[in-house]
Amino acid sequence: DVKVTQSSRYLVKRTGEKVFLECVQDMDHENMFWYRQDPGLGLRLIYFSYDVKMKEKGDIPEGYSVSREKKERFSLILESASTNQTSMYLCASSTTEDRVYTGELFFGEGSRLTVL
Amino acid sequence: DQQVKQNSPSLSVQEGRISILNCDYTNSMFDYFLWYKKYPAEGPTFLISISSIKDKNEDGRFTVFLNKSAKHLSLHIVPSQPGDSAVYFCAASAHGGATNKLIFGTGTLLAVQP
Repeated sequence: DVKVTQSSRYLVKRTGEKVFLECVQDMDHENMFWYRQDPGLGLRLIYFSYDVKMKEKGDIPEGYSVSREKKERFSLILESASTNQTSMYLCASSTTEDRVYTGELFFGEGSRLTVL
Repeated sequence: DQQVKQNSPSLSVQEGRISILNCDYTNSMFDYFLWYKKYPAEGPTFLISISSIKDKNEDGRFTVFLNKSAKHLSLHIVPSQPGDSAVYFCAASAHGGATNKLIFGTGTLLAVQP
């Protein structure tokens, strides 16, 4: 069964702390994504990566950075957490190999971050 | 600027009746559309998709309709079941990008009443 695993389901951090959210996928997918979900705003793309060591900004990258040192792992970093980064963070992966384009993303279960 | 819009934040339907969830988009470059379903405290799961070369795609109780001229798509669930109660997200992408970057709508909370 395909799986995207996010390291922490629930985190509570203080303003100014550095926060790492880890995501691992076991499907050998080349594409990985970080979204955040907020009420009334849906899912908004923070960063994505289409290959190891490659990254691209999504729609709301401010205050975030990412790291992709290995194909299966994509990390989201909050350098200095702020209260407006309290949210549900969702990692996803996908593939476009063999010209099979389904558009489907496989999501992890999410990490609920609260910044006090 | 919201490129994918779901104007109904919530919808309540009786069990056995039809649920119709709507989605509008503004970017004419979008050529692939998907619906995701999300339960609380879980990640979204893929439900059904449609390519812009089609106007209808059916999978069991779920049917997606695409009206390109109106830039509108809808998800029909017939018959609705209590287990369908969830948040439904519409998403769109422009093929040709190598990354399957999806733009999501704001979601519609569907409540199916027994």
